[in-house]
Amino acid sequence: KQEVTQIPAALSVPEGENLVLNCSFTDSAIYNLQWFRQDPGKGLTSLLLIQSSQREQTSGRLNASLDKSSGRSTLYIAASQPGDSATYLCAVGEFGGTSYGKLTFGQGTILTVHP
Amino acid sequence: DTAVSQTPKYLVTQMGNDKSIKCEQNLGHDTMYWYKQDSKKFLKIMFSYNNKELIINETVPNRFSPKSPDKAHLNLHINSLELGDSAVYFCASRRDRGRQETQYFGPGTRLLVL
Repeated sequence: KQEVTQIPAALSVPEGENLVLNCSFTDSAIYNLQWFRQDPGKGLTSLLLIQSSQREQTSGRLNASLDKSSGRSTLYIAASQPGDSATYLCAVGEFGGTSYGKLTFGQGTILTVHP
Repeated sequence: DTAVSQTPKYLVTQMGNDKSIKCEQNLGHDTMYWYKQDSKKFLKIMFSYNNKELIINETVPNRFSPKSPDKAHLNLHINSLELGDSAVYFCASRRDRGRQETQYFGPGTRLLVL
């Protein structure tokens, strides 16, 4: 059974700092790995998706890496801004058998960027 | 235009009642999902339908029954509501075109059982 863990649970940083969020998963037979953002009282927004054959993806100030063999992914946020404050969720996608694109989520990292 | 929509947005009800939550996607996706986010913000999959066929059914009480009248809709009916059913329920959809396809989430339905 896939388990996803995110560290740290919460992070508070001053504006402008570069930061790293960590995600680990127990079963390396994954389809893809995604990072989502969730604002309070809102739904989830997909930030980056890394296919199982890829090592990293970049979008603007965000960079996500994937090391399938060690069961780890990191989300790097450069030059953080107060608008980046949100909960960041890591999710592992599985496909095969009865999984069919099922996402298993970590518990999230609550990020606060203060001015 | 909203890609994945859910109704209602908020639902407050008494224990023992039966309620339904509706989900619609206008993306032409093949697969739809229901997730539950508990009070600790932990998101867990409940069900998935692909082209109106149930393909994922996690360990969920049989008081929860999903129904997919067509590919664009996936509704969730809950019988005999319990206090522990209080949570945020998210609907999501995905196009079946490979590993690069993400899931698109609705805004969530906040259910409070009193």
